[in-house]
Amino acid sequence: NAGVTQTPKFRVLKTGQSMTLLCAQDMNHEYMYWYRQDPGMGLRLIHYSVGEGTTAKGEVPDGYNVSRLKKQNFLLGLESAAPSQTSVYFCASSWDRNYGYTFGSGTRLTVV
Amino acid sequence: GNSVTQMEGPVTLSEEAFLTINCTYTATGYPSLFWYVQYPGEGLQLLLKATKADDKGSNKGFEATYRKETTSFHLEKGSVQVSDSAVYFCALRDNYGQNFVFGPGTRLSVLP
Repeated sequence: NAGVTQTPKFRVLKTGQSMTLLCAQDMNHEYMYWYRQDPGMGLRLIHYSVGEGTTAKGEVPDGYNVSRLKKQNFLLGLESAAPSQTSVYFCASSWDRNYGYTFGSGTRLTVV
Repeated sequence: GNSVTQMEGPVTLSEEAFLTINCTYTATGYPSLFWYVQYPGEGLQLLLKATKADDKGSNKGFEATYRKETTSFHLEKGSVQVSDSAVYFCALRDNYGQNFVFGPGTRLSVLP
């Protein structure tokens, strides 16, 4: 089925380690987003992209980097993981600003 | 800035009870309004939306009406089922920004 696929689903990192989360969509959507979900805080936007080769900062970008080299993929990188980055990360995509998002199933990241 | 406020949960109801989850917003211009639902272990799914004042969004027995005069978009369902147990997020997207602003979510538990 078409949709948004996130890998990995679970990961445990040690403080200071780096990793990349991959988001892939097969719907030809222009817009892609990375959110983090923390208890009692809803979803907060980390970075987003309005098309291949473009990225922009969201509400909580510090400690993260992103790349959109191909239209279907949106990568989220943590260069030096910190315990404060323990969270559930969701990727989403959309066709247009007036459409709703299609979300991936999330990546649960724990930094110890 | 734009913001969304939801009633705090958790909300616990018996099967076939009437559901209301309150949502109010603050935004510039004329935003589009959305309800998303997140089932355990999954990403968010679009439940319904309304793009202008007095519009009613509906899906799967859920309804919400865009009330500009009260800046509200309350979610209602006449008879809830156990399968409706989930976290519900109210969200807006304004006409100028690229992104959604999500409320903190309201957890609903429906008991048989």
